[in-house]
Amino acid sequence: DAGITQSPRHKVTETGTPVTLRCHQTENHRYMYWYRQDPGHGLRLIHYSYGVKDTDKGEVSDGYSVSRSKTEDFLLTLESATSSQTSVYFCAISEWGSQGGYTFGSGTRLTVV
Amino acid sequence: AQSVTQLGSHVSVSEGALVLLRCNYSSSVPPYLFWYVQYPNQGLQLLLKYTTGATLVKGINGFEAEFKKSETSFHLTKPSAHMSDAAEYFCAVSEITDKLIFGTGTRLQVFP
Repeated sequence: DAGITQSPRHKVTETGTPVTLRCHQTENHRYMYWYRQDPGHGLRLIHYSYGVKDTDKGEVSDGYSVSRSKTEDFLLTLESATSSQTSVYFCAISEWGSQGGYTFGSGTRLTVV
Repeated sequence: AQSVTQLGSHVSVSEGALVLLRCNYSSSVPPYLFWYVQYPNQGLQLLLKYTTGATLVKGINGFEAEFKKSETSFHLTKPSAHMSDAAEYFCAVSEITDKLIFGTGTRLQVFP
């Protein structure tokens, strides 16, 4: 499988605390994406990156920020976690953008209590 | 804006029966279309994709999908279901801005 890892795999955190999720790739792909998966909603795009320091918002970006200081790492930060951010978060990578499809990580299950 | 509609959040079939998962899309430009599969507690895996050329696309595990522009559809089929096909399936359409838009998913159950 493509070299993409997400950490942590599971996390429980308290409301109001900051949380950072990490996505690491070894494929040197240009594009990286963060999605959240919720029942009945499928996957919704939070943020994506098309290069180092180049990021853009997705459809559900409120309450989230991202950073990409190196090609291989894409960080998702919840500045002040809320219960509505309880979800499964997936990172994806792509060499050519969406036309080639994505390779997904295994996901991070985040619970905000 | 582009969008994807998956008809039926749950589909149940008997082992050996035809699998048909429906996907309709909305796009103002020629789309790129994808089907992904997700097994429990795993990430999504690409099943097949349509970009250009032949409208009948074959994927992994015996699945195939046909792009029908006149019907704006990209339905996923498999002639004979296997127990191992039980999973959630997602249809997706590509935006020209390098983003994939996903449908809400269809959970496939296969009964012996």
